[in-house]
Amino acid sequence: ILNVEQSPQSLHVQEGDSTNFTCSFPSSNFYALHWYRWETAKSPEALFVMTLNGDEKKKGRISATLNTKEGYSYLYIKGSQPEDSATYLCASGSYNTDKLIFGTGTRLQVFP
Amino acid sequence: EAQVTQNPRYLITVTGKKLTVTCSQNMNHEYMSWYRQDPGLGLRQIYYSMNVEVTDKGDVPEGYKVSRKEKRNFPLILESPSPNQTSLYFCASSLAPASIYGYTFGSGTRLTVV
Repeated sequence: ILNVEQSPQSLHVQEGDSTNFTCSFPSSNFYALHWYRWETAKSPEALFVMTLNGDEKKKGRISATLNTKEGYSYLYIKGSQPEDSATYLCASGSYNTDKLIFGTGTRLQVFP
Repeated sequence: EAQVTQNPRYLITVTGKKLTVTCSQNMNHEYMSWYRQDPGLGLRQIYYSMNVEVTDKGDVPEGYKVSRKEKRNFPLILESPSPNQTSLYFCASSLAPASIYGYTFGSGTRLTVV
């Protein structure tokens, strides 16, 4: 994998459903995996930064896991709410660089 | 409130007319970057700066200039804009290299060049 890839591209779920998305990234020169939440007409906001294989992070109903050996991360949302509707971006960074390689995002829409 | 402030939010201009998008942060961050967002593509880095008077090219620097005369400001300059620079632009800042801490993003500038 040369680029950061996210799937699915978009997702529509009902309120209360749990959901998850995938981020695949190059495992060579990997240092950190970032997740951002981007609401329409706003700026992307940081959710998690993970560096170690097996890392798990949690913020409320949102959690993320990291597998650096196989180059993927999962983002989980438990009991989706309409306010979770946003585009979720992941980005990969190499050590001590001021550049992140971003995926194209997963657009989540949660219907009441 | 800690933030990155970009101006303007929206801009429509004509080909060849020089423009500047301003970016200012109040968090005393060393690192600042400009990214552009285009449909079907991830955010791509245009330029970045590691400190005052220290800037370097990102992945898509052609047609852009930047300057970092003060720590808080990092303007993006388009000397002769062309339609292929129509895009959504984000300024971002970070306390340390972004790979370690990630970014605080500005609210974005939607630029249309006709």
